[in-house]
Amino acid sequence: QLQLQESGPGLVKPSETLSLTCTVSGGSISSSSYYWGWVRQPPGKGLEWIGSIYYSGTTYYNPSLKSRVTISVDTSKKQFSLKLNSVTAADTAVYYCARHAHDPNFDYWGQGTLVTVSS
Amino acid sequence: QSVLTQPPSVSAAPGQKVTISCSGSSSNIGNNYVSWYQQLPGTAPKLLIYENNKRPSGIPDRFSGSKSGTSATLGITGLQTGDEADYYCGTWDSSLSAHVFGTGTKVTVL
Repeated sequence: QLQLQESGPGLVKPSETLSLTCTVSGGSISSSSYYWGWVRQPPGKGLEWIGSIYYSGTTYYNPSLKSRVTISVDTSKKQFSLKLNSVTAADTAVYYCARHAHDPNFDYWGQGTLVTVSS
Repeated sequence: QSVLTQPPSVSAAPGQKVTISCSGSSSNIGNNYVSWYQQLPGTAPKLLIYENNKRPSGIPDRFSGSKSGTSATLGITGLQTGDEADYYCGTWDSSLSAHVFGTGTKVTVL
């Protein structure tokens, strides 16, 4: 059974960089059929897609966040990572990593990790 | 602000049926597959429906999806207390070049 697990600091200061890693277990991160993405959810609000990466390193990002986002992959460690720079309180959210197919259905999700932006 | 609009809430008694609408446009629902997700309180979203009307393994047939034009609908029959959750639609938006999710609908079992 495929499992995804987010890890990283739960508290980030304003203007600094949020960094999270997602570790994939129980399956291959190098499958040609899937992308690996990040989705966030501010407290009490809806879901927002941040960006996705293919095992080859090809990325695509939400245009609203593109200028601040970098997603990378390390297939040897079966991990992919998110960096979001210049964070503000508006970036406070539960961050999920997830797998999705070309047909954009997100079929496996991590449990999520709350990141709070505060000084 | 999402480009996919859902009703904030729907409710029904146990055993009854509810439907949740997801309204979009030609740049998203009109020309792309729709997925539906269930988010139980305090948990990650779970895929319920993909490619408009297909259910992943393990999802009961009480859950169904359909699409017509620029709108999609999730149906839940035989409502159970365990179905109380937030439900989101999702698709690709070709104009925004982004995956987009609906505004979310809270289902309450009376």
